[in-house]
This record gives sequence, C-alpha cells and structure tokens, in this order.
Amino acid sequence: EDKVVQSPLSLVVHEGDTVTLNCSYEVTNFRSLLWYKQEKKAPTFLFMLTSSGIEKKSGRLSSILDKKELFSILNITATQTGDSAVYLCAVVVDSNYQLIWGAGTKLIIKP
Amino acid sequence: EPEVTQTPSHQVTQMGQEVILRCVPISNHLYFYWYRQILGQKVEFLVSFYNNEISEKSEIFDDQFSVERPDGSNFTLKIRSTKLEDSAMYFCATTRDTAFEQYFGPGTRLTVT
Repeated sequence: EDKVVQSPLSLVVHEGDTVTLNCSYEVTNFRSLLWYKQEKKAPTFLFMLTSSGIEKKSGRLSSILDKKELFSILNITATQTGDSAVYLCAVVVDSNYQLIWGAGTKLIIKP
Repeated sequence: EPEVTQTPSHQVTQMGQEVILRCVPISNHLYFYWYRQILGQKVEFLVSFYNNEISEKSEIFDDQFSVERPDGSNFTLKIRSTKLEDSAMYFCATTRDTAFEQYFGPGTRLTVT
C-alpha cells in the first residue's frame, strides 16, 4: 500500500529559528512529490520535486528530494509567526495522478 | 492569478439528503480531482476526472457519490444520501497536466446533522 509519512507531527519553535520538516514515502511508480502549506482552509502549493538532489527555493523556504532514500525535506529559515501552519507532503503516483498525502506537520512559531 | 473556486463555502444538511458541491476549475485545466478532509485528519483522495470520465476513484467514493461536468465549466460532486460521517471539508483540485502541481479551491465545509 502506498504511504507517505511526515515527521515530526508537530513542532513549536521561536521566531527566527530554522526548521526542517521531513517527508518519507513508500509508493509504487513515483512521479513527483509536492509540498503544500495549509493554514485555515485549502492547501496552497509550495514546491514540486521530481528529480533528486535539485534544491527548489522560494524566499526563506527550500526543499530537496532524495529518490534513493525516498524522502524529502522542507527547510524554513528565519521563521516568522506567519509561517505557522500545517505543512503537507503529497506524492503523485503514476497510475492515476492523484495525490497521496502525509498527515502533515503542524508548525507553530512563537513570537 | 486564476484560481479554483468552490461553492458553497459551507453546507449544512440533514442525514439522508442529497447535496451537490460545485467547483469551477481554472480555465485551461484538464484534470480534476475531489479530496476530502475530515476535521483533524489527513487529506484523502476521492476521485479523479479527465476527458469527461472518471479516471480513478478511492474506496471512499462508493455508489452514493457521483461526479460530472454538466456544462463544460462546473465540476460537481454529488452525494445522494448523506451520512453523518460525510461531514468534512471537500476540496476540488485541478491541473492542466499531470506533470504540474494541482491547485486547490478554498473548499466546501459539509456538515451533516
């Protein structure tokens, strides 16, 4: 059965800290891995990763994929209270392209 | 920037009633999905739709559920006879191609009483 596991499930840090969120997966026919940020409602897209070792970066956020070890990390540097959210990892598998989701990491940034 | 829209934002219905949730995809997107998220739980795939037919559906998507694109713009999810356990946030997502990210609508919160 395809599965996506995120860790930690929750994380509390202070503003300015750097955090690393983890996502590991076991799926057949991996196609891509996506990171989303979910605040109050819908997930908003952050990154899509398809190739190993190529870092994607957007401002203070960055992510990388390791297809050999079957995991991805999402880094957030110089965290701000606005980064507080649930960060979701999802994997696209080839069979029908739906997203298989992890349970999310709830990140709380304290001022 | 184009976005996926969903209506209504919140629907309250009694058990056994039919509900229709509506989604307007981004205009050049061809692949459509419904997901649901029960409060406090992970997002779950329901169904994918391409070329006017279902491509794949999960175990959750039983005979009580159906999808259609009646007028070439709206993409709807119908639940024929709602159950208490159908209470959840329902998200529509669309993408122009499977090589690209899926964009999510704001969701419809369905409450079955």
